[in-house]
Amino acid sequence: DTGVSQNPRHKITKRGQNVTFRCDPISEHNRLYWYRQTLGQGPEFLTYFQNEAQLEKSRLLSDRFSAERPKGSFSTLEIQRTEQGDSAMYLCASSLLGLDRGPRTEAFFGQGTRLTVV
Amino acid sequence: GNSVTQMEGPVTLSEEAFLTINCTYTATGYPSLFWYVQYPGEGLQLLLKATKADDKGSNKGFEATYRKETTSFHLEKGSVQVSDSAVYFCALTTGYGGSQGNLIFGKGTKLSVKP
Repeated sequence: DTGVSQNPRHKITKRGQNVTFRCDPISEHNRLYWYRQTLGQGPEFLTYFQNEAQLEKSRLLSDRFSAERPKGSFSTLEIQRTEQGDSAMYLCASSLLGLDRGPRTEAFFGQGTRLTVV
Repeated sequence: GNSVTQMEGPVTLSEEAFLTINCTYTATGYPSLFWYVQYPGEGLQLLLKATKADDKGSNKGFEATYRKETTSFHLEKGSVQVSDSAVYFCALTTGYGGSQGNLIFGKGTKLSVKP
C-alpha cells in the first residue's frame, strides 16, 4: 500500500467549468475526509465519509460542491461552475475507526490536488 | 466555536538551536491535540499527538504537552536540524476518543533551519 493517492496533482481550469478530483484512500480505511487549503492557511475541513455514508459537511461546502464515495473505497469531489475563489489545494485523508468507535489509526493525508481557476 | 491559534512565522533558526512553536486552542469538551508537519513537496504527516490533559506527545526529538489550564500545546525541540525545515500545523479534534472526524488546524508556522 502506497498511502493515500490523489489525482490529478494539478488542475488548471477556466472559470465556469466543472472539475472532478479523485482520492484513493489506504486500503481498508473506513473514514475518508476532504479538506481545502489556501495559501498561508491551514487545511479547512469540507466533508467526511464513514464507509459510503457522508456524515458531515462544512458550511464551506456550497451547493456547487459534491462529494461521493459510492462503494466505500475511492471518493470523488466535484466542483461545478468553478470560480476563482475555488483556487486552492484540495486534500484527502483517510483513517481507520474501530468497531468500538475509537480510532485505530491517525488520519493519513494525500499530497493533494492543486486547483487553479483562471 | 473551536479554533487553534499558533505563532506566526516564518521562524529561522541555526542548526542545533532550541525550537518552540506556540499553539493555543479554544474548544468545547475535551479535545485531542495534534502537531502535523508538511515537508516541501510532501503531504501532511502526523508528528505527535496527545489525547488528554497532561499527556506528552513525542516523536523524532519533538515534544508537546497538553496543558488544559493554559489551553496550550506548544511544540519544542532541543536541537533542530536542517532536515526539520518544514511547515508545522497545530490541530485539534473533538471527535469521540480522539477519532478524527473533523480536524481543526492552525494557520501553520514555517520553520527554516540554516546550517
